[in-house]
Amino acid sequence: GENVEQHPSTLSVQEGDSAVIKCTYSDSASNYFPWYKQELGKRPQLIIDIRSNVGEKKDQRIAVTLNKTAKHFSLHITETQPEDSAVYFCAASPRGRRALTFGSGTRLQVQP
Amino acid sequence: DVKVTQSSRYLVKRTGEKVFLECVQDMDHENMFWYRQDPGLGLRLIYFSYDVKMKEKGDIPEGYSVSREKKERFSLILESASTNQTSMYLCASSKAGQETQYFGPGTRLLVL
Repeated sequence: GENVEQHPSTLSVQEGDSAVIKCTYSDSASNYFPWYKQELGKRPQLIIDIRSNVGEKKDQRIAVTLNKTAKHFSLHITETQPEDSAVYFCAASPRGRRALTFGSGTRLQVQP
Repeated sequence: DVKVTQSSRYLVKRTGEKVFLECVQDMDHENMFWYRQDPGLGLRLIYFSYDVKMKEKGDIPEGYSVSREKKERFSLILESASTNQTSMYLCASSKAGQETQYFGPGTRLLVL
């Protein structure tokens, strides 16, 4: 089955700096890669996703890049703000499988 | 707006008890999922269902069962609760053919 590894487990940045979270996956058939954000005490919510036919996707301060050859994808947050502080999860979905396999999560803390 | 609700936010049970966790979604989603969330382990899939009375094992189904008698409701059953099942349990749903999952608020279960 699919295995997703996520690094780092914790990340602390100064407000205004950039943050990068990286994930690798094992199943070359995976074709969908979402990122979820979970604020303290709240439910995970989708913030951005990318499919295997695209190399990069941006949404305001958030971008995701995908390298299919190396089987890794990354979340980039620019101009970080205190409200970006949360746990971020990457996930992968093999083609034809309805379920997601999640990474172990990254706790991002943005220091004001 | 998608709404996924879970029957309890907090639950305390004793070892050996039978435990029912319920999840209800109001968006006519075909797919429903149960995850457990533990620090450092991310979200791990227990079971999922893609239709009424249909179910598939996830990555950690041991000690759990599920029931889906109606499209909007997906129940997770701990047949005989054990202390290692103390965890946060998250339910999610998605539309058939769409990968975006919408999560419930979670149930924090403590087994004594």
